[in-house]
Amino acid sequence: AQKITQTQPGMFVQEKEAVTLDCTYDTSDPSYGLFWYKQPSSGEMIFLIYQGSYDQQNATEGRYSLNFQKARKSANLVISASQLGDSAMYFCAMREGRSGNTGKLIFGQGTTLQVKP
Amino acid sequence: DAGVIQSPRHEVTEMGQEVTLRCKPISGHDYLFWYRQTMMRGLELLIYFNNNVPIDDSGMPEDRFSAKMPNASFSTLKIQPSEPRDSAVYFCASSPGDDRGSNQPQHFGDGTRLSIL
Repeated sequence: AQKITQTQPGMFVQEKEAVTLDCTYDTSDPSYGLFWYKQPSSGEMIFLIYQGSYDQQNATEGRYSLNFQKARKSANLVISASQLGDSAMYFCAMREGRSGNTGKLIFGQGTTLQVKP
Repeated sequence: DAGVIQSPRHEVTEMGQEVTLRCKPISGHDYLFWYRQTMMRGLELLIYFNNNVPIDDSGMPEDRFSAKMPNASFSTLKIQPSEPRDSAVYFCASSPGDDRGSNQPQHFGDGTRLSIL
């Protein structure tokens, strides 16, 4: 079963506008963590933001924020004031707690974002 | 601080040849991961190590693939014999141990772009 689902293969946004990239997950573990990574055309994987399942508040990192809706099992990434340099592929990933922290991440298929000038 | 270092950055070789990819994780990180990325299959976890011990190799495609971690600062992924369908970008990533908490992201190297002719 797919544990991380990113339903938007591709998205467009106008420069300076906000955009939301969707991510839903599936787990029966009460302890888990959610991560977002950015992969620009140059290929490197860049860590953006983390949300823990027990965190009371939505995570924020500069222009990135996470819209975490635990009951819906969604962890959407919001990018505010889009810039041309935000054009990239974005991956959502989950780490399950289970007994001990395995460190293993499960990745979604990714969403390609294009920012239009 | 030095990040995860992978070599070579690019490799082009003929079918049947042995290919060795190398990785130096971030110093002090306990976990090391090998991923493969293709357009068709996305980002796949091949194998990961904890404190130099292989924990899960269920993602290794077949016996032609092998990975070793002889010490905390070095790992190799070997393909022998190589086939055209092995062409992909191979990433190495590392992350801190469980004692540092579950919010620790994986840090990726720049990847090795492998082409098998």
